[in-house]
Amino acid sequence: DIQMTQSPSSLSASVGDRVTITCRASQGISNYLAWYQQKPGKVPKLLIYAASTLQSGVPSRFSASGSGTDFTLTISSLQPEDVAAYFCQGYYTVPPTFGQGTKLEIK
Amino acid sequence: EVQLVESGGGLVKPGGSLRLSCATSGFTFSRYSVNWVRQPPGKGLEWVSSISRSGSDIYYTDSVKGRFTISRDDAKNSLYLQMNSLRAEDTAVYYCARDQGGSYPYFFDYWGQGTLVTVSS
Repeated sequence: DIQMTQSPSSLSASVGDRVTITCRASQGISNYLAWYQQKPGKVPKLLIYAASTLQSGVPSRFSASGSGTDFTLTISSLQPEDVAAYFCQGYYTVPPTFGQGTKLEIK
Repeated sequence: EVQLVESGGGLVKPGGSLRLSCATSGFTFSRYSVNWVRQPPGKGLEWVSSISRSGSDIYYTDSVKGRFTISRDDAKNSLYLQMNSLRAEDTAVYYCARDQGGSYPYFFDYWGQGTLVTVSS
């Protein structure tokens, strides 16, 4: 199985800050990567697919990049409603695998 | 509006069985692959199983192979997960999720609200 490793595991930042979360695959997965946001007590929500394509309705402050083994999710200006756990997911092979998550809080 | 609504969770003893259902609406169910994804309380996400739109391609994570069976009924716009020989480590919220892939699981654009399965004596 391809392992997905996120860093950091938790992150505290101020409103307005630029925030970056990293995801690394244990082997190359081309651009077969998605990012999800899960707010406390809520259902996961798709933010990004194909490594950098923004899902419809997702605010433009979210962006992502990467290919191969290294990927990043960036929030350009952190908002209070962005408090959530963020998960990357590779889907290059079966089984699709998730990173362990990054918990984002407001400082 | 796309909706997925799970049901069938509950408390079951180790070794017991449960059948989860996922009723869908707001999209043409037969045109999509669908999945089960689980999340143990306070932990991360784990993909469990996938069934293609034709029903001919089915996949499971290793830990549930031989114990869980995924199926779909396009006439009822519904997805199912038969879970047998349940273990404590199967305790989780189980989500059904629509897939944008073809014959094998891709990424998941719509999720249900989840149903909690607790395996405990």
